[in-house]
Amino acid sequence: NAGVTQTPKFRILKIGQSMTLQCTQDMNHNYMYWYRQDPGMGLKLIYYSVGAGITDKGEVPNGYNVSRSTTEDFPLRLELAAPSQTSVYFCASSYDDGAYSNQPQHFGDGTRLSIL
Amino acid sequence: KNEVEQSPQNLTAQEGEFITINCSYSVGISALHWLQQHPGGGIVSLFMLSSGKKKHGRLIATINIQEKHSSLHITASHPRDSAVYICAVRNSGTYKYIFGTGTRLKVLA
Repeated sequence: NAGVTQTPKFRILKIGQSMTLQCTQDMNHNYMYWYRQDPGMGLKLIYYSVGAGITDKGEVPNGYNVSRSTTEDFPLRLELAAPSQTSVYFCASSYDDGAYSNQPQHFGDGTRLSIL
Repeated sequence: KNEVEQSPQNLTAQEGEFITINCSYSVGISALHWLQQHPGGGIVSLFMLSSGKKKHGRLIATINIQEKHSSLHITASHPRDSAVYICAVRNSGTYKYIFGTGTRLKVLA
């Protein structure tokens, strides 16, 4: 039972390059999330999705794009990478938004990204 | 002021000690989540609480909704408990999570 799988685990990018962080889950969860974790700060929501074909911005969406063509996959794309995007990125999924249940979010192992 | 505050920020304990980590929040919530992040970076869910108390092995989590406060207790602490413990609340209006900055725990043998 893989849960939430993120790739790659580590990546170094040059300023201006682009890349896609992959996230897939095998729990048939409708809700998926992308967070970034900066030193000394709590996780911040970048984008989220409530189902295939539906995405919405979180607190810190600038410089990122997402898509959700399937229930399983929720890739995060960085266009024109900037040093401010150096962070650890976490993908998570959940059964619902918590309105009707208290099912927790399940997290991937994270992607450590450095922009130089 | 952050909407979710954790204390202490850092904690060093000797093996076997009883440990308490606190979380206070200022928004209305539908649930509170305690997470554990190991040095390797992965985040694991420990507890999801909306009232009362939950226990799993040596871990106990309590929540007081009226006081907007939760505690995570570790009994008979062990070096393998060394990790960052994160409190997150699910905002009852938006259903979005708000995360604390974490408590870094080090348990010495």
